[in-house]
Amino acid sequence: LAKTTQPISMDSYEGQEVNITCSHNNIATNDYITWYQQFPSQGPRFIIQGYKTKVTNEVASLFIPADRKSSTLSLPRVSLSDTAVYYCLVGPFSSGNTGKLIFGQGTTLQVKP
Amino acid sequence: ETGVTQSPTHLIKTRGQQVTLRCSSQSGHNTVSWYQQALGQGPQFIFQYYREEENGRGNFPPRFSGLQFPNYSSELNVNALELDDSALYLCASSQGQGETQYFGPGTRLLVL
Repeated sequence: LAKTTQPISMDSYEGQEVNITCSHNNIATNDYITWYQQFPSQGPRFIIQGYKTKVTNEVASLFIPADRKSSTLSLPRVSLSDTAVYYCLVGPFSSGNTGKLIFGQGTTLQVKP
Repeated sequence: ETGVTQSPTHLIKTRGQQVTLRCSSQSGHNTVSWYQQALGQGPQFIFQYYREEENGRGNFPPRFSGLQFPNYSSELNVNALELDDSALYLCASSQGQGETQYFGPGTRLLVL
């Protein structure tokens, strides 16, 4: 599975938009990009998944450039409750493949009042 | 909420003992994966079960074993517990082997 690189930590203030960028230079053709959010002592929560261009749901947006070597998770108008660790993962999320997720260190987002 | 449940929520064992952790998958999911998360680290893949058979294993010794039942619930067994086994153990279920995984709340294991 492709290795990912993301900032160790980020700070923001309530109401701001937060963009977390993840680098995955060795992404394979059949790899998808998935982001999880994790609060202390809880299981990771699926946020969003995409393959190319832009994906949006009720929680976040995911921007993927044409070369797919990076992706940006965008959280609109963050609140204190968005303080968490955010993980970027890439992998062949398709039937027939072992779903071994490789988590890095993640990005610790601290939202301040 | 994902619909994935785990029991117990917390557990304290002593070195050398054995432990069994349980996971109920989300309705409609036939695949369960187990992860170990040490404090301050990202989750590490232990193994995955698909339709009652092990389907992929991470870099964990044989004393980590598992089972999946016909209803797709699963157990993680750890024998001869070591202090370093203290961690949050996470279970994730999915609709298939490579599909999006949804995690349960985890079981916090402390080995003394």
